[in-house]
Amino acid sequence: AQKVTQAQTEISVVEKEDVTLDCVYETRDTTYYLFWYKQPPSGELVFLIRRNSFDEQNEISGRYSWNFQKSTSSFNFTITASQVVDSAVYFCALSEYTTSGTYKYIFGTGTRLKVLA
Amino acid sequence: EAGVAQSPRYKIIEKRQSVAFWCNPISGHATLYWYQQILGQGPKLLIQFQNNGVVDDSQLPKDRFSAERLKGVDSTLKIQPAKLEDSAVYLCASSLNRAPKETQYFGPGTRLLVL
Repeated sequence: AQKVTQAQTEISVVEKEDVTLDCVYETRDTTYYLFWYKQPPSGELVFLIRRNSFDEQNEISGRYSWNFQKSTSSFNFTITASQVVDSAVYFCALSEYTTSGTYKYIFGTGTRLKVLA
Repeated sequence: EAGVAQSPRYKIIEKRQSVAFWCNPISGHATLYWYQQILGQGPKLLIQFQNNGVVDDSQLPKDRFSAERLKGVDSTLKIQPAKLEDSAVYLCASSLNRAPKETQYFGPGTRLLVL
């Protein structure tokens, strides 16, 4: 079963529009962490936010905001007043405990965001 | 603070050839990861090191892939012999330690094309 689902493969918006990227996860752990990363065309994954399972407060950072809802196992990401520089692939990830006694990230398949001028 | 460094950035080889990638993590980071990212997919963990020891290599195709982190700092990932399906971006990441809350910081990746 897929652990992190990003159902939106690609989204196109016009500059200044708001856009929400969806992330749904599945885990049996009671303690877990969720992350969002941005991957611009240069290829490097850029860390955006980390959220732990006990903190359901929404977070806002400039034009970015995140809505974490344990009841629906979702961790959605909204960009307000999008800009061309926001064009990238965005990945949601879940930090999951493994049988080898460590933790690893499980990434979704990513959502490609295109912001048109 | 310097980020994660990787080289080369691009590599084109013929199938059955060998290739090696290098990674230098952020200074002080004990945990180092190698990921494979196939076009259109999310990164998939290949191997995880804690200092110079392997803590998870369950998804590493050990018949052709190998990795080492001999002095607990930089690391190399090798493919021998390469197959067409190995064409991907190989990402290196590091974190301060191995715990669920630790944020992983990624390098720019090595884009490999196997012909």
